[in-house]
Amino acid sequence: RKEVEQDPGPFNVPEGATVAFNCTYSNSASQSFFWYRQDCRKEPKLLMSVYSSGNEDGRFTAQLNRASQYISLLIRDSKLSDSATYLCAVIQGDDKIIFGKGTRLHILP
Amino acid sequence: DVKVTQSSRYLVKRTGEKVFLECVQDMDHENMFWYRQDPGLGLRLIYFSYDVKMKEKGDIPEGYSVSREKKERFSLILESASTNQTSMYLCASSFGGEGPLYNEQFFGPGTRLTVL
Repeated sequence: RKEVEQDPGPFNVPEGATVAFNCTYSNSASQSFFWYRQDCRKEPKLLMSVYSSGNEDGRFTAQLNRASQYISLLIRDSKLSDSATYLCAVIQGDDKIIFGKGTRLHILP
Repeated sequence: DVKVTQSSRYLVKRTGEKVFLECVQDMDHENMFWYRQDPGLGLRLIYFSYDVKMKEKGDIPEGYSVSREKKERFSLILESASTNQTSMYLCASSFGGEGPLYNEQFFGPGTRLTVL
């Protein structure tokens, strides 16, 4: 099993719809989790940290499921500007950071 | 706003050349990182530094070295470039804290290096 896995997509979603994608991790000792957004030909930028209790920022909700070892990102009322690649990042206990390969999201007008 | 700048957006070098990639951040961050990003492989950490003159190996340090003589500047060095080092190189920085990796990382715009 790969250390961090994401469905590469692309997810083609109509504007206004809700979309969710997951990121699974193999190391149960992983401690911190993040979602980054990367636009085409741009650098990644932090979207959200993922807390144990789950957290919400506007239309975006991030959740952690430790039992099943995945984090999720939910986008409600999707906008055209949400089109991007979404990378998860997992910090393992041995001071190792692993990024997923990213999930491509296309919001369709 | 945090600003992380990289010396070049595009670079073309020949096999065997010594290559320097420079990264500068203006937010007094303690931690700095070098990654490479390749299609199908994602972002992989090469080296990071949590203080001046300190460095730690990431996942793929082979063929690379780094230098951090000043807090704001972190250099990635390819001693003898090879074609398999053709990639997008991204620098990042973050505040200090309980651990270099645990805080939000701010990325530079990237340097696309081609080794012929």
